[in-house]
Amino acid sequence: KAGVTQTPRYLIKTRGQQVTLSCSPISGHRSVSWYQQTPGQGLQFLFEYFSETQRNKGNFPGRFSGRQFSNSRSEMNVSTLELGDSALYLCASSLGLGRNEQFFGPGTRLTVL
Amino acid sequence: AQSVTQLGSHVSVSEGALVLLRCNYSSSVPPYLFWYVQYPNQGLQLLLKYTTGATLVKGINGFEAEFKKSETSFHLTKPSAHMSDAAEYFCAVNDNFNKFYFGSGTKLNVKP
Repeated sequence: KAGVTQTPRYLIKTRGQQVTLSCSPISGHRSVSWYQQTPGQGLQFLFEYFSETQRNKGNFPGRFSGRQFSNSRSEMNVSTLELGDSALYLCASSLGLGRNEQFFGPGTRLTVL
Repeated sequence: AQSVTQLGSHVSVSEGALVLLRCNYSSSVPPYLFWYVQYPNQGLQLLLKYTTGATLVKGINGFEAEFKKSETSFHLTKPSAHMSDAAEYFCAVNDNFNKFYFGSGTKLNVKP
């Protein structure tokens, strides 16, 4: 089975721009979660989608949004980028039913200049 | 509420020495516990997990962890460290709604 894939792997943007990151979960997985990882804050939960519905949400401003498609692929969008948004964005998928482990993608490294 | 505390943001051991990475949790429900490893510029990889049953859990790469309910701990151990074990390790707890709570991570350095 193919693992979780994330595109692009690296991205450089400037302040004020917006960005869209993509995540394809493992086949059969219906839950996709997004995390932001920075050296100072560690792993912070952004949101989780299950069957195209946002099921959980972390404490991030409204500039951060996401969606999930019928094939379980997910995208997250960050608008009006700030320098502090520079981070590794990780996507994780799970079966979504019950308390299953999450399988992580390699991440997208976003740099905001 | 669920939370995870990892004692020691950096741990350094010599090659061949015992590895012990500490994790304490709080959970309002019977916990499902996980250890993940992250190598530089990569995502997290599952090392092992505890759900129910046997409290000593064996994982990949020779790692194991023991669930101790009375101590609310889930420490990760490996009898003999290898240079390739150098990475960052994350402990996590999963609640009834399949939401994960991660610890702040422990960077393991292995000295030759």
